[in-house]
Amino acid sequence: DQQVKQNSPSLSVQEGRISILNCDYTNSMFDYFLWYKKYPAEGPTFLISISSIKDKNEDGRFTVFLNKSAKHLSLHIVPSQPGDSAVYFCAARANFGNEKLTFGTGTRLTIIP
Amino acid sequence: DGGITQSPKYLFRKEGQNVTLSCEQNLNHDAMYWYRQDPGQGLRLIYYSQIVNDFQKGDIAEGYSVSREKKESFPLTVTSAQKNPTAFYLCASSVAVTYNEQFFGPGTRLTVL
Repeated sequence: DQQVKQNSPSLSVQEGRISILNCDYTNSMFDYFLWYKKYPAEGPTFLISISSIKDKNEDGRFTVFLNKSAKHLSLHIVPSQPGDSAVYFCAARANFGNEKLTFGTGTRLTIIP
Repeated sequence: DGGITQSPKYLFRKEGQNVTLSCEQNLNHDAMYWYRQDPGQGLRLIYYSQIVNDFQKGDIAEGYSVSREKKESFPLTVTSAQKNPTAFYLCASSVAVTYNEQFFGPGTRLTVL
């Protein structure tokens, strides 16, 4: 059962425009969410996160929005740059006990020059 | 320069042979993890360790074994019992299992011929 879903396996965006990556989750116990960026043949690197007590977190060109009622989060990248081309994974966890991160299947973002 | 190292980057083995993947970290993190990534799939947790001499099964532990004799090291053995061992293997660490952000190594691509 996939508790964290990224329904778009790929996305192409023109350089300079906004990239919007989406993530849905089913487990209502999740209360912390992270986005990771991964280049081919490399390990993922942490990008940005958000706690369930917030609905928005911004870091430079990257903003994550959380809609708890819809169990949906999105990552906005503005403006998109060629170096943003990568696979983006969202991850979630329930912040009690020793709960582990649950990752989505990833979205491959391609920025078109 | 702190980080996580995985070696080798590429590994080839014959079917039926056990193989051990190395993971070392100098971040002084208590928790370490092993994930597997397959095309079109998210990161799936194989094993994790909260502290030295302790480890727990993740979602897909069958056919794998681990040890945690030192804080810095968390080797993963892919045994001949693993039915589909060819994959990209990622090691990660975090300050503690309860800590949200995980730091990943560069990964090892294992190909079983």
